[in-house]
Amino acid sequence: EVQLVESGGGLVQPGGSLRLSCAASGFTFSTYWMHWVRQVPGKGLVWISRIKKDGSDTWYADSVKGRFTISRDNAKNTLYLQMNSLRAEDTAVYYCGRDAAGAGPTIDFWGQGTLVTVSS
Amino acid sequence: DIVMTQSPLSLPVTPGEPASISCRSSQNLLHTNGYNYLDWYLQKPGQSPQLLIYLGSHRASGVPDRFSGSGSGTDFTLEISRVEAEDVGVYYCMQGLQTPFTFGPGTKVDI
Repeated sequence: EVQLVESGGGLVQPGGSLRLSCAASGFTFSTYWMHWVRQVPGKGLVWISRIKKDGSDTWYADSVKGRFTISRDNAKNTLYLQMNSLRAEDTAVYYCGRDAAGAGPTIDFWGQGTLVTVSS
Repeated sequence: DIVMTQSPLSLPVTPGEPASISCRSSQNLLHTNGYNYLDWYLQKPGQSPQLLIYLGSHRASGVPDRFSGSGSGTDFTLEISRVEAEDVGVYYCMQGLQTPFTFGPGTKVDI
């Protein structure tokens, strides 16, 4: 069974940093591209980043480019999102998702999400 | 960025009756490979999103056949042939043609 379990969320002050983790199991992690998507509570979904299966290429939404870094450790079956210079508007539930490895960047499995709150 | 719109934003439904959601993109989502890079997701109350339809019209594994996707280019439709109570939630379309991948605002379906 495919499982994605996010962790690392919490309360952080504006300007602070946080690293999210997404532990993957039930599939060969190293053969799948991965995504991060966020959602302000009660609002819609916003894609923020994607990484190739070997980590050799990454993509970001403009809203996080230069502040967030996606990475992965295939030996540990874990995806990361390093978030720096956090702002109040980064407050959201952060989901990791598996890219279906088809023709398009379809996200076929999602984690349960981890809440990040940026507030003083 | 490609802008995604959905209509309606709120859809009251009756169990056993059909339902339809429209999704439009600001750019053509038809890739040169012949696939439309448009997916549909459902987020049930209190849950993470789940994949329903990918590449415009392909039903994801385990998705009931009452769900179907159609359309091409800039206009897409998700149809539920006979709504069931478990289908309530927010439906999102997402374009995957170019980064940043963008979602529609969501359509809230309730009984």
